[in-house]
Amino acid sequence: DAGVIQSPRHEVTEMGQEVTLRCKPISGHNSLFWYRQTMMRGLELLIYFNNNVPIDDSGMPEDRFSAKMPNASFSTLKIQPSEPRDSAVYFCASSLGRGGYSNQPQHFGDGTRLSIL
Amino acid sequence: KNQVEQSPQSLIILEGKNCTLQCNYTVSPFSNLRWYKQDTGRGPVSLTIMTFSENTKSNGRYTATLDADTKQSSLHITASQLSDSASYICVVSAAQTGANNLFFGTGTRLTVIP
Repeated sequence: DAGVIQSPRHEVTEMGQEVTLRCKPISGHNSLFWYRQTMMRGLELLIYFNNNVPIDDSGMPEDRFSAKMPNASFSTLKIQPSEPRDSAVYFCASSLGRGGYSNQPQHFGDGTRLSIL
Repeated sequence: KNQVEQSPQSLIILEGKNCTLQCNYTVSPFSNLRWYKQDTGRGPVSLTIMTFSENTKSNGRYTATLDADTKQSSLHITASQLSDSASYICVVSAAQTGANNLFFGTGTRLTVIP
């Protein structure tokens, strides 16, 4: 079975440019999560969708970040304009159930390593 | 304040030896506790999920314990292998609605040497 698929795996761009990260969750999963991971702060949850609807975006750092889930098989995380402090690894994960208090495991993609110069 | 603390920060052990990683939390109300393994350059992989009523859960050579009274969990790795070299992350979920009910430890970096 295919796992969570993220693209691109690596992205290097100059500050000010728009960045779009993509995620295809596991078929049948109804929850999707976007995370950011840095050495300093570890894993941070940015936003969580349930049945394609954003449930909580309180982890999104600022208005430069936006996420969409137009259908059950695709989600995007967009940064516009990008800044050097946005450099991190961005993970997408999907699961059955609703939210973090579901007892279902989250399945992570292998992430997008983003570098903003 | 809801927090998750892991110790040690890093650990080096010889292949074949056992080790125990610790996770202490102050998250309340408690829903579940998860251990993830993250290989370098890969996404985290779920090892165990434990609810309030579960004291021990095993996944092969990995055994997680939970003491909900003292708010402590441990991950014990038996007969370590080189492939166990990874970061191990503890995540505690609060029993509240919203995405901000997940609290993350900063992980323990385990290195297994031959």
